Amino acid sequence: DTTVKQNPRYKLARVGKPVNLICSQTMNHDTMYWYQKKPNQAPKLLLFYYDKILNREADTFEKFQSSRPNNSFCSLYIGSAGLEYSAMYLCASSPTGGAQDTQYFGPGTRLLVL
Amino acid sequence: SQLAEENLWALSVHEGESVTVNCSYKTSITALQWYRQKSGEGPAQLILIRSNEREKRNGRLRATLDTSSQSSSLSITATRCEDTAVYFCASNYGNEKITFGAGTKLTIKP
Repeated sequence: DTTVKQNPRYKLARVGKPVNLICSQTMNHDTMYWYQKKPNQAPKLLLFYYDKILNREADTFEKFQSSRPNNSFCSLYIGSAGLEYSAMYLCASSPTGGAQDTQYFGPGTRLLVL
Repeated sequence: SQLAEENLWALSVHEGESVTVNCSYKTSITALQWYRQKSGEGPAQLILIRSNEREKRNGRLRATLDTSSQSSSLSITATRCEDTAVYFCASNYGNEKITFGAGTKLTIKP
């Protein structure tokens, strides 16, 4: 099973409120990623976990948090949502995390902040 | 700016025709990947082509890589309506990360 699951599929949030998105995979992959995708833009890497080690991109360091309580689950947390956070959030996993690894993506969570 | 980008934002052809999506990248890479994202789904990898490879095939798909011009192409033959999707190229960036282009939206018309 190469399925990556994301919950919820759609999320409506109010400005200033927290948002928590969930991703899971049962492929025992070492690495899990979170991307932000806005219309007509490239998926933007926000952060990734290699095993238990979190790596956050410099330009989004303070905006997103994440946790990985076990190999299968990874969350993306926004402490205080702003209008600019409205986007599709894609979770992916890969076996080892190398740049030549295939990344397996979930269907995404569409977040709308009002 | 993006390290990898597709050359066209949108493209359309009729079913049965062939089509090519092009991509250029800005750094020296060890591999380039092509992904496809259909409506309502996440991206799915189609082909990974390494820097020492010039061509890679997967069924009706053919990817080429030209490291001298830092470009890649993805060709689809005998297109079908279900090939309608956004096609992304992605090149490696450091040892662990890949960077995606904005994608080319391909529409296959009946």
